[in-house]
Amino acid sequence: AQTVTQSQPEMSVQEAETVTLSCTYDTSENNYYLFWYMQPPSRQMILVIRQEAYKQQNATENRFSVNFQKAAKSFSLKISDSQLGDTAMYFCAFAAYGGTSYGKLTFGQGTILTVHP
Amino acid sequence: EAQVTQNPRYLITVTGKKLTVTCSQNMNHEYMSWYRQDPGLGLRQIYYSMNVEVTDKGDVPEGYKVSRKEKRNFPLILESPSPNQTSLYFCASSSGILPNNEQFFGPGTRLTVL
Repeated sequence: AQTVTQSQPEMSVQEAETVTLSCTYDTSENNYYLFWYMQPPSRQMILVIRQEAYKQQNATENRFSVNFQKAAKSFSLKISDSQLGDTAMYFCAFAAYGGTSYGKLTFGQGTILTVHP
Repeated sequence: EAQVTQNPRYLITVTGKKLTVTCSQNMNHEYMSWYRQDPGLGLRQIYYSMNVEVTDKGDVPEGYKVSRKEKRNFPLILESPSPNQTSLYFCASSSGILPNNEQFFGPGTRLTVL
């Protein structure tokens, strides 16, 4: 079975600074995707960024980028130039092409990020 | 507007009183799924459906039922709710099976079972 672990329950950052959220995962699958979702106070789940495991280049979406270390099974999210609107709970998630993870997202526990003015 | 809708958004009920949370999508998606979100546990999949009349259990199916009679609708049924089903519930849909199809989430339903 796949597991996703986020070891930081809460993080805080000052506006305009950079913050990194950690995520580790465990799987025996070779073909999979990793995702970061944000959940602002509105509770809506919003896809921030995703990474295909076979791609070595780290994914980037504007101020959001990842550091994907496949051998270490690590998938951290870096938020640059943090904005007040980035305040949210962030979930790391995993989905594979096969095995017991087929057809579903496996989520980590979440990290609450607060951006302070 | 392409969206996944859920109703109700908030529900307080009592133990044993059957309830249904509706989910509907207007994107003609084949794949739909239900998750529950609990503090410290993230989101966990309850049931999923790959198409009309095709459903299967996720990680935490006990106490829940689903049906998929129409492509756009995927209701979640709690026949006899219990307090441990107090949670935040999300419906999601995608045009195809994960992982290479983005999953779109509904706005969530906050359920409290007394």
